[in-house]
Amino acid sequence: DTGVSQDPRHKITKRGQNVTFRCDPISEHNRLYWYRQTLGQGPEFLTYFQNEAQLEKSRLLSDRFSAERPKGSFSTLEIQRTEQGDSAMYLCASSWLADTQYFGPGTRLTVL
Amino acid sequence: EDKVVQSPLSLVVHEGDTVTLNCSYEVTNFRSLLWYKQEKKAPTFLFMLTSSGIEKKSGRLSSILDKKELFSILNITATQTGDSAVYLCAGSRDDKIIFGKGTRLHILP
Repeated sequence: DTGVSQDPRHKITKRGQNVTFRCDPISEHNRLYWYRQTLGQGPEFLTYFQNEAQLEKSRLLSDRFSAERPKGSFSTLEIQRTEQGDSAMYLCASSWLADTQYFGPGTRLTVL
Repeated sequence: EDKVVQSPLSLVVHEGDTVTLNCSYEVTNFRSLLWYKQEKKAPTFLFMLTSSGIEKKSGRLSSILDKKELFSILNITATQTGDSAVYLCAGSRDDKIIFGKGTRLHILP
């Protein structure tokens, strides 16, 4: 399977805990995006990388959120001190420059 | 601020009907209009539209873009129960995609 993959697919955590998600993009894609989607809403942009450089961050990305793409391949999204409002589906997508973005299956986070 | 507005938000029709989903956008440095289908998982790509007036077709689905009116429609003819999903419209810029809230389509057998 050469699509975008994400791990884990589901994560249940207690409020205040830290969580980390991983995304592996399509190998030939140089851009990687993170989105958050809550019930009844479309995906909301969080941040994106071109190769290893993080080029933009949404103001939705509070200082509890951090994303990395250290070698320009896979990326991690960490949420520190999780809150119940962080419960959502976290989607990763990749593309070649600004071409069509292809999405991974998402990580569904539930904060209790 | 960039925005994408879809209508209707929800639609229920009978199998065999034809549906039209609407999308209006205001996106700075607009590059293309995208349609995705989402069925309880990640969005799957349907169409990318960059030029006005040129219809794109894929089976029973078709879409067209009006860059003057900042509007796009997605048509589905002879609907089937497998078409039940959320259809997302998005405007793309060089740096990101701005999604609408989606139209939830339910096809009754």
